[in-house]
Amino acid sequence: KAGVTQTPRYLIKTRGQQVTLSCSPISGHRSVSWYQQTPGQGLQFLFEYFSETQRNKGNFPGRFSGRQFSNSRSEMNVSTLELGDSALYLCASTSGGRNTEAFFGQGTRLTVV
Amino acid sequence: QKEVEQDPGPLSVPEGAIVSLNCTYSNSAFQYFMWYRQYSRKGPELLMYTYSSGNKEDGRFTAQVDKSSKYISLFIRDSQPSDSATYLCASGGGNNRLAFGKGNQVVVIP
Repeated sequence: KAGVTQTPRYLIKTRGQQVTLSCSPISGHRSVSWYQQTPGQGLQFLFEYFSETQRNKGNFPGRFSGRQFSNSRSEMNVSTLELGDSALYLCASTSGGRNTEAFFGQGTRLTVV
Repeated sequence: QKEVEQDPGPLSVPEGAIVSLNCTYSNSAFQYFMWYRQYSRKGPELLMYTYSSGNKEDGRFTAQVDKSSKYISLFIRDSQPSDSATYLCASGGGNNRLAFGKGNQVVVIP
């Protein structure tokens, strides 16, 4: 059974640019959550998508957005990149039910210069 | 105050020792708890999932939850050099939003 796939693995962008990250969940899983991991703040919840709808949202500015497609694949977009957006962006896949195990991908390491 | 507190100090132990990791949480709505292992430059790998107070064992790993004191623990018996990684505790409350501790870097010395 394939795991959670995130692409690309590494990205280097310039301040002011925008970026799109992709996540394919485990087959059969319908929920995708996104997290930002930095050395200073640890893992912080961005948002969750279930059945193409945003079901939950963390405390990040509107520059961070996402969407989910009918095949449960999800994309996350960050516009007007800032240096502080440099981080490991992780996607977690769950079956979609409440209180279920979350499985993470390998992450996309974004560096903003 | 963060919802999940984990003393982020590094921990070095000799091979074969017991590793003990702890977290506390403040949100009474948290109902389920997980421990993840993260190797450098990799995503977190789910080690243990627990839903109720008490102990859960899986091989050399034991997760312990005490909801009355909002305390969660992970014990690793007979530690191996391959256990050297960062260990993250996480808690959730039914909305699939996980709150994480800062993580403990564990080094097992051969």
